[in-house]
Amino acid sequence: GAGVSQTPSNKVTEKGKYVELRCDPISGHTALYWYRQSLGQGPEFLIYFQGTGAADDSGLPNDRFFAVRPEGSVSTLKIQRTERGDSAVYLCASSWGSANTGELFFGEGSRLTVL
Amino acid sequence: RKEVEQDPGPFNVPEGATVAFNCTYSNSASQSFFWYRQDCRKEPKLLMSVYSSGNEDGRFTAQLNRASQYISLLIRDSKLSDSATYLCVVKEGSNYQLIWGAGTKLIIKP
Repeated sequence: GAGVSQTPSNKVTEKGKYVELRCDPISGHTALYWYRQSLGQGPEFLIYFQGTGAADDSGLPNDRFFAVRPEGSVSTLKIQRTERGDSAVYLCASSWGSANTGELFFGEGSRLTVL
Repeated sequence: RKEVEQDPGPFNVPEGATVAFNCTYSNSASQSFFWYRQDCRKEPKLLMSVYSSGNEDGRFTAQLNRASQYISLLIRDSKLSDSATYLCVVKEGSNYQLIWGAGTKLIIKP
């Protein structure tokens, strides 16, 4: 497809379970970002990839969160031992280079609910 | 103090009216500024960049005031379809990081 694709669109899980969220960026975009957004808040930065490497993972809240982008395209955000506070919409975005134009292209997000 | 602050609203505005809202930023070294629009339960999308001299795109006008460290968005002849949350975004130099405000909710009433 032409846009950023995220799966699943909705995920309901129980506290303590493991979750994987997938992002397929726009073809050719080297930069990929993960954000999470809670109701009434702006996107909160989690991690930034330039190519295959995580250039900045300073936004990951703790070591339960991890993300990979092994081939420089698709990325997976992995959350271990989920907690109720992890419930949010997880947004993936991609851009050419380092978003010098300020334009990030977002997917529709994965809504995670931890019961 | 948050790096980028916005009035959360909601701003309830009759159709056809003009509405404006501001966003303040704390880092005087910020270089680039943007407005994104986010519809309910949808992803953010770039609305417009904000240039130093101010810029206009149809009914939308964006302005930057570096001295007071704020940017503004003005919407003229508002339409029902303008109802959304408007997110202020700041970029510091060539840094890839975008700093996001929490958004201002706008509701246009018929």
